Amino acid sequence: IAGITQAPTSQILAAGRRMTLRCTQDMRHNAMYWYRQDLGLGLRLIHYSNTAGTTGKGEVPDGYSVSRANTDDFPLTLASAVPSQTSVYFCASSDRANTGELFFGEGSRLTVL
Amino acid sequence: GQQLNQSPQSMFIQEGEDVSMNCTSSSIFNTWLWYKQDPGEGPVLLIALYKAGELTSNGRLTAQFGITRKDSFLNISASIPSDVGIYFCAGQGYDMRFGAGTRLTVKP
Repeated sequence: IAGITQAPTSQILAAGRRMTLRCTQDMRHNAMYWYRQDLGLGLRLIHYSNTAGTTGKGEVPDGYSVSRANTDDFPLTLASAVPSQTSVYFCASSDRANTGELFFGEGSRLTVL
Repeated sequence: GQQLNQSPQSMFIQEGEDVSMNCTSSSIFNTWLWYKQDPGEGPVLLIALYKAGELTSNGRLTAQFGITRKDSFLNISASIPSDVGIYFCAGQGYDMRFGAGTRLTVKP
C-alpha cells in the first residue's frame, strides 16, 4: 500500500533554478495539500486543492505554484528557487476537504544554495 | 491569523511517566487534531476531536477539545520508548493550522 509517494526524497539545488516536487496518491482522495516544515514553525500550508482542477493558496504561497490536472497528482513547482525555500516539504491528502484528517507523504528535503 | 501556541517545546521524561502537552489559540476551531511525527517520516494522525468539550482516548492517548474551542490538550500515560517523536496539534477552521510541535524524548 503506497498511500502518498513524494519524489525526490532529497535534493540540493542552486539558487535561481526551477524545481518540481512530485506527489502522487493512490487513495483516490479528493483534497491534496503541500506543507513546508521548518524548525520552530511547525507545518505551514503552501497550496491546496480541494478537488481535481482546482487549487488555492495557503499561508505561505509566494514563490510556489501547483497544478491538479487529475485526482492522483499534485506537483509543487519552485519557479526560481531561493535559499529561504530550504525546507522539508510534505504532501498530504484527505478524503474530504476541511476535515483535518490528513495522510502525509514521507517528505522531500530541499536545500537551496 | 490563526496562530497556534503549543507547549512545551520539548520534554525529557523517564519511561513509565505520564506526559501532557497543550495547544491554545486566539481563534476558534471546528476541529482539533493531534499528529505524531517519527524521525524521517511524515506526521501521522493520532486523534481527531470534533465537538467542544469532547474527550477522546486512543489506547494510552487521551485528548480533549476545549469548551471555548480555542484549546486542546493531549495526555500520554505510562510512556514507552516508542513514544519518542514530535507531536503536533492542529486546528481546522477556515484552513488547517499546525502548532510548532512538542519534541518528546523518553529515557528507558
